[in-house]
Amino acid sequence: KQEVTQIPAALSVPEGENLVLNCSFTDSAIYNLQWFRQDPGKGLTSLLLIQSSQREQTSGRLNASLDKSSGRSTLYIAASQPGDSATYLCATGANSKLTFGKGITLSVRP
Amino acid sequence: GAVVSQHPSRVICKSGTSVKIECRSLDFQATTMFWYRQFPKKSLMLMATSNEGSKATYEQGVEKDKFLINHASLTLSTLTVTSAHPEDSSFYICSAIYSSGRASEQYFGPGTRLTVT
Repeated sequence: KQEVTQIPAALSVPEGENLVLNCSFTDSAIYNLQWFRQDPGKGLTSLLLIQSSQREQTSGRLNASLDKSSGRSTLYIAASQPGDSATYLCATGANSKLTFGKGITLSVRP
Repeated sequence: GAVVSQHPSRVICKSGTSVKIECRSLDFQATTMFWYRQFPKKSLMLMATSNEGSKATYEQGVEKDKFLINHASLTLSTLTVTSAHPEDSSFYICSAIYSSGRASEQYFGPGTRLTVT
């Protein structure tokens, strides 16, 4: 059974800092890995989707990498802003089903 | 991008009553939708896979008679929480698979906050 872990559970950084959010998973037989953003009381917004054959994806200030062999993914956020404050979840996909981590709650201080 | 809506966004009901939550894909057809529940500071837990025109597939530990799922059309799936109890209070989120060419991706609804008093 796939297990997805995100550590730490919470992170607080000053505005402007570059930061890396980590995600690890136990079963490397995945179709893809996805990073989501969730604001309090809201649904999920997809940030980046990496297919299993890919190593990374980029969108604006975000870059996500995938290393299937080591069971790891990272989400890099450049020049963080207070508006980036949210919970970031990673999820692995297999057979159309997603397995989620508990998320990392990020707070960017002005 | 693909848009998924949920209705209602919030609902408060009394213990013992039933509540229906709707999930709609607004600009695409979805043969497969998923229902999740999320407890505070916990992961999203997949409850069931909703398939248009056939019975839903429930994850282990999810009571199918308590959480009724109907996927009557390619744009609508409903989740009915029957005889709700306070422990059913949670955040329920649906998603729909949007397929484009060779790629497919899940798009999520905004969620429904259910409070059972």
